[in-house]
Amino acid sequence: DSGVTQTPKHLITATGQRVTLRCSPRSGDLSVYWYQQSLDQGLQFLIQYYNGEERAKGNILERFSAQQFPDLHSELNLSSLELGDSALYFCASSVGLGGGYNEQFFGPGTRLTVL
Amino acid sequence: GESVGLHLPTLSVQEGDNSIINCAYSNSASDYFIWYKQESGKGPQFIIDIRSNMDKRQGQRVTVLLNKTVKHLSLQIAATQPGDSAVYFCADSDSGGYQKVTFGIGTKLQVIP
Repeated sequence: DSGVTQTPKHLITATGQRVTLRCSPRSGDLSVYWYQQSLDQGLQFLIQYYNGEERAKGNILERFSAQQFPDLHSELNLSSLELGDSALYFCASSVGLGGGYNEQFFGPGTRLTVL
Repeated sequence: GESVGLHLPTLSVQEGDNSIINCAYSNSASDYFIWYKQESGKGPQFIIDIRSNMDKRQGQRVTVLLNKTVKHLSLQIAATQPGDSAVYFCADSDSGGYQKVTFGIGTKLQVIP
């Protein structure tokens, strides 16, 4: 158990809908990262927050947004969902700002299925 | 219809043998490298890391080798066990203020009992 929690574990929804994925980092970790893992793209970095502020952006679509709250939990919002958004979404956390030099601990993921 | 998935390289190894998983990276500025293990249905788990000022680093049953000249990274697992069966990802990042970690596509390790 990495100490990172994600809810829900599974999510099934329809195209055009909006969903929110939730992540609670390990106690004491200030950075939260979101990743998308799909069958044809592998593990893709989406976005990083550090202590409530956005710090790095990867291959995140405009239909997707995220935020980190004062209690450090984070939410990833996915809107106007398409079939291709079906994937595993992982949250990871680390102590510091540096995604490289600080080990990232991954949550168990949320499996999103868009029908 | 049939779904098209990512065709991961697969390495099949007999239990007890040593495994070597290779990875190439493209960013010359990368100065930090990590190996992750992902078991089925779980998130990636850190195994070992290495900084660019090192060529080799050893952990418990694992060794990472870094060849910066050819941008190549390898993970050696000694005395491979069934519990080592998983997908292994290499990842790299640079410390130039932007801490994005880039993951490779992964290699699936199958341990034959």
